[in-house]
Amino acid sequence: NAGVMQNPRHLVRRRGQEARLRCSPMKGHSHVYWYRQLPEEGLKFMVYLQKENIIDESGMPKERFSAEFPKEGPSILRIQQVVRGDSAAYFCASSQGASNYGYTFGSGTRLTVV
Amino acid sequence: GESVGLHLPTLSVQEGDNSIINCAYSNSASDYFIWYKQESGKGPQFIIDIRSNMDKRQGQRVTVLLNKTVKHLSLQIAATQPGDSAVYFCAENAGNMLTFGGGTRLMVKP
Repeated sequence: NAGVMQNPRHLVRRRGQEARLRCSPMKGHSHVYWYRQLPEEGLKFMVYLQKENIIDESGMPKERFSAEFPKEGPSILRIQQVVRGDSAAYFCASSQGASNYGYTFGSGTRLTVV
Repeated sequence: GESVGLHLPTLSVQEGDNSIINCAYSNSASDYFIWYKQESGKGPQFIIDIRSNMDKRQGQRVTVLLNKTVKHLSLQIAATQPGDSAVYFCAENAGNMLTFGGGTRLMVKP
């Protein structure tokens, strides 16, 4: 049973380009959470999704950021017109139910904006 | 000993000694707490958790203590090994999300 899979592991984008980060949850998990981590800091919540629904996006910047978790396929975190301040590690976690109890993190995508 | 580094507080211990990592949490309504270990270039790895109706929980070589009166959480690692070197984060359950603390870097000297 594979864990939470994120790709790509590393992503380099020029300012103004779009970044697409993918997360495939653990088998049987229908809840996905995205977090962002700046160097030397803890993780900060961005968004919580279930299949085809955004449950809580209180941590998402109001502009340029969006997330989806379609019925089929991985969850996507999309950042439009990236800026240098978007450079960070983005982690995805998944859980079986609507709970934070014991959910599993992926290895993250490290986004570098040049 | 414990010292404040440029960004993360760092705890340096000798291999074989016990380590204690501390964390202050903010929300008195939080009912669930987790300790994560994060190695360089990797995602957070679950170590141990505790619910608010407990004040102590033990795992293999690790113990978590919860003091709700002062909103304090600690992680104790017995017989610290070089493989324990990592950054350790506490996290508290806050509705739909986890709120993470700032992290402590543990360095184990051989």
